Amino acid sequence: DQQVKQNSPSLSVQEGRISILNCDYTNSMFDYFLWYKKYPAEGPTFLISISSIKDKNEDGRFTVFLNKSAKHLSLHIVPSQPGDSAVYFCAASERSGGSNYKLTFGKGTLLTVNP
Amino acid sequence: DGGITQSPKYLFRKEGQNVTLSCEQNLNHDAMYWYRQDPGQGLRLIYYSQIVNDFQKGDIAEGYSVSREKKESFPLTVTSAQKNPTAFYLCASSGRTEQFFGPGTRLTVL
Repeated sequence: DQQVKQNSPSLSVQEGRISILNCDYTNSMFDYFLWYKKYPAEGPTFLISISSIKDKNEDGRFTVFLNKSAKHLSLHIVPSQPGDSAVYFCAASERSGGSNYKLTFGKGTLLTVNP
Repeated sequence: DGGITQSPKYLFRKEGQNVTLSCEQNLNHDAMYWYRQDPGQGLRLIYYSQIVNDFQKGDIAEGYSVSREKKESFPLTVTSAQKNPTAFYLCASSGRTEQFFGPGTRLTVL
């Protein structure tokens, strides 16, 4: 059973517009959420995270929103740039249980930003 | 520079052979992880270790083995029992924040 779901395998947007990537989770014990960006044949790189005590976290062009009641989070990229084209993974963990930082990943969304 | 290294970048093996993938980190992280990525499958956890000389199975541990004799090193052995070993393997480590990933090893079993 998939605990972290990214239901859109791909997304295409125009340069300068907003990209919105969505993620849903089923495990109510998840209390920390992360977004990673991955280029082909490379390791993922950390983008931004959010704790369950917050509903928004912003870092430059990237903003993550968390709706705990809906078990939904989204990553907004504004403005989108061609260099943002990559696979984006949503990940979640149960941090309140101690030092276990094991992550559960979604299957990823391929973002293509067209010039 | 601090980081995670995986070697080699590409690895080819014949079916039935065991192969060991290297992962080294100099970030002084306690925890280390191994994932595999297959097309359309995302990242799936194979094994993880939260401290030296201790490790736990992840979601897809069958056919794999690990050791954690040193804090800096977490090698993964893909055994002949792994039915579909061809994949992209990623190693990661973490302190008290997010996981940092290595560049990955592409294993192809012929």
